[in-house]
Amino acid sequence: DAGVIQSPRHEVTEMGQEVTLRCKPISGHNSLFWYRQTMMRGLELLIYFNNNVPIDDSGMPEDRFSAKMPNASFSTLKIQPSEPRDSAVYFCASSLLWNMGLAGINEQFFGPGTRLTVL
Amino acid sequence: EDQVTQSPEALRLQEGESSSLNCSYTVSGLRGLFWYRQDPGKGPEFLFTLYSAGEEKEKERLKATLTKKESFLHITAPKPEDSATYLCAVQGGFKGGATNKLIFGTGTLLAVQP
Repeated sequence: DAGVIQSPRHEVTEMGQEVTLRCKPISGHNSLFWYRQTMMRGLELLIYFNNNVPIDDSGMPEDRFSAKMPNASFSTLKIQPSEPRDSAVYFCASSLLWNMGLAGINEQFFGPGTRLTVL
Repeated sequence: EDQVTQSPEALRLQEGESSSLNCSYTVSGLRGLFWYRQDPGKGPEFLFTLYSAGEEKEKERLKATLTKKESFLHITAPKPEDSATYLCAVQGGFKGGATNKLIFGTGTLLAVQP
């Protein structure tokens, strides 16, 4: 059974370039999360979607970051323009909420991550 | 504000030397506390969910327990393959709208030497 799939696994780009990270959640899951992990700040939630709808994007650093989920099996995180301080590992996670909001318990399953280096 | 603090930051054990990792939390209305294991270069791997104080769960050499203020991950007779970073996360209560955010601690880096 396939887990969360992310691509690319590694990305090296130059400052100012556009970067697009991709995620395929576990089939049947209805929530999707984008995280960023650095040594200094640990694991930070950037944005999450329920049923393809963005619910909370308060963790998105600034307008250079955007995320979309056009359907239940695909999401993108875009950085434009990229900066050296964006260098980090970006994780996508998905979960299945049994009762959206009131009683859902959120066991999230993570992908392998994309290691982004901005020169 | 919901907060998770893990201690120690790093722990070095000899193979077979049992110990515990701590996760202290403050959250408005705990709905779930989660333990994850993360190996270098990989994503966090789900281990346990605990829902209420007094609950315990076990998996091989790991046992997680929960009180109203903290959780412990007990490692009994660890082996070198247990070496990893262990992350704790909490899911808080309903705050005027559906929320399934997890707040993560910074983790404990465990090294088990043969």
